[in-house]
Amino acid sequence: DAGVIQSPRHEVTEMGQEVTLRCKPISGHNSLFWYRQTMMRGLELLIYFNNNVPIDDSGMPEDRFSAKMPNASFSTLKIQPSEPRDSAVYFCASSPGQENQPQHFGDGTRLSIL
Amino acid sequence: AQSVTQPDIHITVSEGASLELRCNYSYGATPYLFWYVQSPGQGLQLLLKYFSGDTLVQGIKGFEAEFKRSQSSFNLRKPSVHWSDAAEYFCAVGGRGATNKLIFGTGTLLAVQP
Repeated sequence: DAGVIQSPRHEVTEMGQEVTLRCKPISGHNSLFWYRQTMMRGLELLIYFNNNVPIDDSGMPEDRFSAKMPNASFSTLKIQPSEPRDSAVYFCASSPGQENQPQHFGDGTRLSIL
Repeated sequence: AQSVTQPDIHITVSEGASLELRCNYSYGATPYLFWYVQSPGQGLQLLLKYFSGDTLVQGIKGFEAEFKRSQSSFNLRKPSVHWSDAAEYFCAVGGRGATNKLIFGTGTLLAVQP
């Protein structure tokens, strides 16, 4: 079975540029989660969706960050404009949606903002 | 509010030795509990989960964990560690209710000496 697919795996860009991270959840999963992982702050939940609807975006650091889920098989996390402090590994995870179901993680996007 | 504490940031064990990674949680009722493992450059992989019933749960790669309600703990164990077990380990708690969000601990980095 295909797992959660994230693209790109690595992204290097200059400060001020727009960055778009992409995620394809596991087919049939109703919940999708975006996380950010850094050495300093560990694993942080940014936002999650149930049935394509954003449920909790309290972890989104500021207005420069936005996330969309236009359909059940695709989500994007966008940073505009990007800043060096946004450098991190960004993970997408999906789950079937029931409360007792584990989340399945993609391999992440390593983002470096110069 | 839910919280997870992993008191050990870094642990080193010798290959073949036994391992116990600690996890304490805070939650008003019986939570859902998970252990994940993260190898370098990869996403988080589910090792095992506890929902209800038998408090000793078996997972993949020879790992097990025991839920102890009286101690609010869910420690991960392995009787004999292999060099390939070197990775970061995360404990996570999920609540019973409408949300399927997980709260992750800060992780324990395991090093294995030959």
